[in-house]
This record gives sequence, C-alpha cells and structure tokens, in this order.
Amino acid sequence: AQTVTQSQPEMSVQEAETVTLSCTYDTSESDYYLFWYKQPPSRQMILVIRQEAYKQQNATENRFSVNFQKAAKSFSLKISDSQLGDAAMYFCAYWGARAGSYQLTFGKGTKLSVIP
Amino acid sequence: EAGVTQSPTHLIKTRGQQATLRCSPISGHTSVYWYQQALGLGLQFLLWYDEGEERNRGNFPPRFSGRQFPNYSSELNVNALELEDSALYLCASSQGVPMNTEAFFGQGTRLTVV
Repeated sequence: AQTVTQSQPEMSVQEAETVTLSCTYDTSESDYYLFWYKQPPSRQMILVIRQEAYKQQNATENRFSVNFQKAAKSFSLKISDSQLGDAAMYFCAYWGARAGSYQLTFGKGTKLSVIP
Repeated sequence: EAGVTQSPTHLIKTRGQQATLRCSPISGHTSVYWYQQALGLGLQFLLWYDEGEERNRGNFPPRFSGRQFPNYSSELNVNALELEDSALYLCASSQGVPMNTEAFFGQGTRLTVV
C-alpha cells in the first residue's frame, strides 16, 4: 500500500521569505501523480500544484514550485515570497495511476504559519 | 461552473443514530470520493464511487456505507454513530477512470456526535 509522510507537523515563515515543506512517499508503482493541497481555516481543500511521475521537469505554479526526486521518492513544496494568505494546512497526496490504486492517499499535513 | 457541493454544512447527532451526508460532484465528473478528517489526523479514505458502482473502500467498519445515484451525486451513510465518528467529512469528484488526474473537493460536512 502507498504511504505518504510529512515529517513537519508545523512550520513558520516570515512574510516575503521562502519556505519548503517536505513530503516523502512509498510506492512500487512507476506511474502516479503527486499533489499538494492547501486547506485554509475555511476547510476548502484547494489544489496548489500537481506533478506527473513520468515528467522529469518540476511543476511550477506562480510562487509555488516542487522538487520532485523520483528515485528518492521525495516531493517537496517551495513557497516563494510568502504571503499572509498562504497560512494554512498543507497536505501532500499520492494518486496511483493503475486500477486498484485510484484513490488519493494523504499525508498528515503541515501547518504553515506566516509571520507578518 | 459550480464546484463540488456538500450538504448539510453541519450535522449534530446523538450516539446510536444514523447520519446521511450528501455530495453533488462537478458537472461531467463521474467519480466521487469520500474522506474522513478527524481532529489532528490527516484525511482517511472512506469510499470511492464511479459510474454508480463502489470501486474501492477504505479501512472502515461496514456501518459506513454509501451509494451513487444515476446523476452521479452521492450519499454517505453512517449507522450506529459513535463519538469517534465526529469529524469533517470531505467529498471530492473527478472525471473518472482512466481520465481522472485531478480531484476537486467540497467544503465538507462537520459531523458532531454527542
């Protein structure tokens, strides 16, 4: 079974600075998707960024980028120029691409605080 | 375009009662996923429905059940409620296999069992 581990329960960053959230996963599959979701106090899970395992290039969405290391099974999220609105729970998630693993498996999350 | 909608937003039940939670997926999405998010825990996978069929089930007792209707909306039923069932229940939808590459979430139903 796939597992996702987020080793940092809480992180903090100064406004305008850069922060990196860590995520590792365990899988025997070669084809899969990885995601970072943001959950603000409003509870709405918002997709931040997505990475296809077959793509070597790291995904980027504006101030958000990932460092995807397939061999190391590592998928970290970098937030640049942090803003107050970035404060939230961040969840790393794995989605298998083969029958039997079509479900999102989540890590336990990292609570990010942004200090003004 | 409307997103994933869940109802009710909040639900308070007594231990032993039954709870019914509802989810309407994004138009065109055939897959619906249910997750439980208990306080301090991550999201635990409950159920996955696609094209009206239950495709996969998480490690939850049989009193957690559900169904998907012909319009792809879904219900989650929790029977014989226990205090530890208190949690945020999130529904997500996607286009359905093999096209599903992204899941969109609703705002959740906060279930409180007293």
